[in-house]
Amino acid sequence: DAGVTQSPTHLIKTRGQHVTLRCSPISGHKSVSWYQQVLGQGPQFIFQYYEKEERGRGNFPDRFSARQFPNYSSELNVNALLLGDSALYLCASSLVPLGHQPQHFGDGTRLSIL
Amino acid sequence: QQPVQSPQAVILREGEDAVINCSSSKALYSVHWYRQKHGEAPVFLMILLKGGEQKGHDKISASFNEKKQQSSLYLTASQLSYSGTYFCGTENRDDKIIFGKGTRLHILP
Repeated sequence: DAGVTQSPTHLIKTRGQHVTLRCSPISGHKSVSWYQQVLGQGPQFIFQYYEKEERGRGNFPDRFSARQFPNYSSELNVNALLLGDSALYLCASSLVPLGHQPQHFGDGTRLSIL
Repeated sequence: QQPVQSPQAVILREGEDAVINCSSSKALYSVHWYRQKHGEAPVFLMILLKGGEQKGHDKISASFNEKKQQSSLYLTASQLSYSGTYFCGTENRDDKIIFGKGTRLHILP
C-alpha cells in the first residue's frame, strides 16, 4: 500500500508569494495533520482535518490555511511568504483524529524562501 | 506546552544502552515516540496510553509515568540502524500532538 504522498518535494519561492502544498493520505485514513519542521527542531503542529472539517489549529498566523477534500487529500496554503516560512512541511495521516492513533508521515515538502 | 526531552544528544558505541526522557508540565493523555533519520520523514515507533504502561519491540521499549508526566524510551544493545533523532510527542486530551525538540542519537561502530 502506498504511504502518505506529498507534492512537490522541493519548492523555491520569494518573499510575498503564496504557495500550495498537497498531501494524499494512506488509503482508508480520514484524518490529515500538517506540521512545520525547522532545521534542528521537532515538527510543530499547524492544522488537523477530519472529514473536511478543521479539528485543530496550532499557533500559526492567518496566512496559513488548509482544506481537506472529499477523497481525504489535503492542501496547505501559505500567503505572503516570509523568510521565516522556510522549513520542511510534513503531512501526517491517521485513521481518525484521536491522540492515541499513530501518525504516518509523508516525506515532506522542503520550502525555501529567497 | 512543548515537552522537554533530555539529553539533547547522545553518542554511543554499538551494543551500548541509551535512555531518552520526555517530560511535560501538563497532564498527559498519551505519549508518542518517533525516529527521524536525516533527510527522511519521522517514523512511528510506539504510543503509550496509560500510566504505568510499558511497550517494546525488538530492543526498543518505553514507559509512561502518568503521575510524573514523564515518559522514557529505552534502547538496549544499540545497533547502527538506531542512529537518528528521536522525538516524543505528547497529547493533552485535545487530539493535538505536540513534539519535543528531539534527541540526536549517534551510534559508532
